[in-house]
Amino acid sequence: LAKTTQPISMDSYEGQEVNITCSHNNIATNDYITWYQQFPSQGPRFIIQGYKTKVTNEVASLFIPADRKSSTLSLPRVSLSDTAVYYCLVAINDYKLSFGAGTTVTVRA
Amino acid sequence: GAGVSQTPSNKVTEKGKYVELRCDPISGHTALYWYRQSLGQGPEFLIYFQGTGAADDSGLPNDRFFAVRPEGSVSTLKIQRTERGDSAMYLCASSLGMAEYNEQFFGPGTRLTVL
Repeated sequence: LAKTTQPISMDSYEGQEVNITCSHNNIATNDYITWYQQFPSQGPRFIIQGYKTKVTNEVASLFIPADRKSSTLSLPRVSLSDTAVYYCLVAINDYKLSFGAGTTVTVRA
Repeated sequence: GAGVSQTPSNKVTEKGKYVELRCDPISGHTALYWYRQSLGQGPEFLIYFQGTGAADDSGLPNDRFFAVRPEGSVSTLKIQRTERGDSAMYLCASSLGMAEYNEQFFGPGTRLTVL
């Protein structure tokens, strides 16, 4: 599995955009990049997945540069309820999701 | 529709006791996974079922841990002779097939405390 590196924590305020960058320098050609979100006392929840360029859904956007050695999860106009741990995962054909410590995002009023 | 459910939500036991943790996956999901999450860390893979068989149990920490899925639906994680170090959140997830690109749907977890 490609190793990922992401910030331990980030603080933000309601209404701001939050961008979390994940480094995965040894990503393999067939690897996809996936982000999960976990609220306290809940299981992780799939947010978004992408291979290259940009992916957008109703929750977030995922930006992947051409070299794919990093990716940025963008959360637009966060609210207090977006306070959670966000995990960046890189895997191919792999059911063993490798979560790491994730990024704790704290949104303040 | 109903998501993945896990029972009990909390389990407190004494060192040396036997515990069973249950997982009900989403109906129709053939793949089922167990993870363990310690405080402040991300979930760690324990075991993966495809149907009734354990396709990969390489994450089970030792032979005190065992999991079954006899009918390809509900799964039970069994821990013998529990130790204080087994205290953690135990998460179950399911997916339509092998989660190459399928997202895994997680349950709320069972918090196990071994006194």
